Amino acid sequence: NAGVMQNPRHLVRRRGQEARLRCSPMKGHSHVYWYRQLPEEGLKFMVYLQKENIIDESGMPKERFSAEFPKEGPSILRIQQVVRGDSAAYFCASSFPLGAGIANYGYTFGSGTRLTVV
Amino acid sequence: EDQVTQSPEALRLQEGESSSLNCSYTVSGLRGLFWYRQDPGKGPEFLFTLYSAGEEKEKERLKATLTKKESFLHITAPKPEDSATYLCAVPTFYGGSQGNLIFGKGTKLSVKP
Repeated sequence: NAGVMQNPRHLVRRRGQEARLRCSPMKGHSHVYWYRQLPEEGLKFMVYLQKENIIDESGMPKERFSAEFPKEGPSILRIQQVVRGDSAAYFCASSFPLGAGIANYGYTFGSGTRLTVV
Repeated sequence: EDQVTQSPEALRLQEGESSSLNCSYTVSGLRGLFWYRQDPGKGPEFLFTLYSAGEEKEKERLKATLTKKESFLHITAPKPEDSATYLCAVPTFYGGSQGNLIFGKGTKLSVKP
């Protein structure tokens, strides 16, 4: 039973390019969360999605960042016109439908995508 | 605004030297607290969920406890493989349903042989 799969593991982009980060949730999980982790900083929430629906994007920068979780396929976090300040580790987590299994299994995280903007 | 504060930021122990990590929180009605372990270059790994004051959970050398204002992660006779960053988090809610997690900055634990 594969866990949360994120790819790529490492991504290098030049300033001004686009970055696309992918996340496939665990089997049976229908909720996806994206977090960003800067060096020496904690995990900061960005966006929470269900299939074809954004539930909360309060942590997402208003410009250049977008996220989707289509009916088929992985969730995508897209960063347009990247800048050096976007360099960070981006983690995806998934969970069962709310209220089911959270107490025992929590949220399952992927291994992250490390984005470097040069 | 809900906040999670962890202390100390870093902790260095000798193998076998027991200690505790602290997580204090300010939330409007706690409905769960999570502990995670994060190794370098990896995503957080779920350890425990605590729901009510007085609750305790154990896993190998780790024991998590919860009061009305804080949680402790006790590490008994730690080994070098316990070295990691330990994260504490509380959930947010949307109309009664659990949503994303608010994390503390973590405690980086180093255990020397």
